[in-house]
Amino acid sequence: QSVLTQPPSVSGAPGQRVTISCTGSSSNIGAGYDVHWYQHLPGTVPKLLIYGNSNRPSGVPDRFSGSKSGTSASLAITGLQAEDEADYYCQSYDSSLSGSRVFGGGTKLTVL
Amino acid sequence: EVQLVESGGSLVQPGMSLRLSCAASGFTFDDYAMHWVRQAPGKGLEWVSGISWNSGSIDYAVSVKGRFTISRDNAKNSLYLQMNSLRAEDTALYYCAKDIRCSTISCSDAFDIWGQGTMVTVSS
Repeated sequence: QSVLTQPPSVSGAPGQRVTISCTGSSSNIGAGYDVHWYQHLPGTVPKLLIYGNSNRPSGVPDRFSGSKSGTSASLAITGLQAEDEADYYCQSYDSSLSGSRVFGGGTKLTVL
Repeated sequence: EVQLVESGGSLVQPGMSLRLSCAASGFTFDDYAMHWVRQAPGKGLEWVSGISWNSGSIDYAVSVKGRFTISRDNAKNSLYLQMNSLRAEDTALYYCAKDIRCSTISCSDAFDIWGQGTMVTVSS
């Protein structure tokens, strides 16, 4: 059971927009801690997609955007492409006894 | 080139010990907190442990606390994870990862650089 809750899977057709939610609690996202997002393709290293809730590292297309509100955060992907098919993880900081950095359980994005 | 290279993974029996290493290059190692993150087969990412720039702050996931010890040697630009009393559920690909900006672990920071990972298999 992950501290941050994500839907196990989402899907969309090429060109469409999809969102992935990440729900936390008052000890992590709700406490104001930043949320970050990673893209993980099989056999590769996780790639930082969004940091500090809504910032994109250099080289990440602006089709990817992040937002945060209350105890939740979201990753939006517009203009869906086949190459976007991957696992996506949210990550934050938790001030409880569960350890400092926490990940969501991951969401498998399928491009139909 | 900014790079992290892990080593030390192998097949071990339950109850045995293993030490993982992570060699860093291309950045000022002692400016940043460092972490270990693992992914068990078919499972998601799990943060394992983190250490501040000067080893003054250390934290562990509940699942490994008391069995794993994280350390670093800034003179050698290296991060380590000593894993004792290994269990089948510790079987995973272990990544070392760098904080994007923080030098301490009490910081809600992202991991911007990841190594390729080293595989640990615990089985009899």
